[in-house]
Amino acid sequence: AQKVTQAQTEISVVEKEDVTLDCVYETRDTTYYLFWYKQPPSGELVFLIRRNSFDEQNEISGRYSWNFQKSTSSFNFTITASQVVDSAVYFCALSVRNAGNMLTFGGGTRLMVKP
Amino acid sequence: NAGVTQTPKFRVLKTGQSMTLLCAQDMNHEYMYWYRQDPGMGLRLIHYSVGEGTTAKGEVPDGYNVSRLKKQNFLLGLESAAPSQTSVYFCASREIAGAKNIQYFGAGTRLSVL
Repeated sequence: AQKVTQAQTEISVVEKEDVTLDCVYETRDTTYYLFWYKQPPSGELVFLIRRNSFDEQNEISGRYSWNFQKSTSSFNFTITASQVVDSAVYFCALSVRNAGNMLTFGGGTRLMVKP
Repeated sequence: NAGVTQTPKFRVLKTGQSMTLLCAQDMNHEYMYWYRQDPGMGLRLIHYSVGEGTTAKGEVPDGYNVSRLKKQNFLLGLESAAPSQTSVYFCASREIAGAKNIQYFGAGTRLSVL
């Protein structure tokens, strides 16, 4: 069985601060995919990034960056110079090649960025 | 581009009533999913479909039924609603090709069962 843990249930920062959202996963599969989704106050789920288990390169997209470390089973997400518009719930998720590649979600981290 | 469309957006039911949630996607995706989101628990898979005419159970299937009569539509039914089914329901779809393997979600349906 797969498991995703987001230990930080809520984080509050002041605008322009950097913030890192932690994600730890468990799986026995050697082939798997990791995802981050954003859920703004409006409620929809917005895809941010996908990473497969064979690609440990870190990725940067604008103010967002992701650090994938298989040795610690972690896939952390950093927002640099946070903005009020970053306020949302962020979900980390994992899928493996069974059960239709279903997503196993963490409990989510609510990020509040204050002006 | 519409993407994944869910109807209705909100619904209030009384215990024992039935209803159907509709999910429609216009991306020609093979796979479709129904999840529920409860506070502090992330999303959990209810049922999924790997193609027209096929369905399978997910993590929390009890009390729900699904049908995939057309490729673009995936219906979630509650035959006899219970207060424990108060939740936000999300539909998602994805391509069959492994290179993408990204699920795209609808805007959600907020259901309250009194």
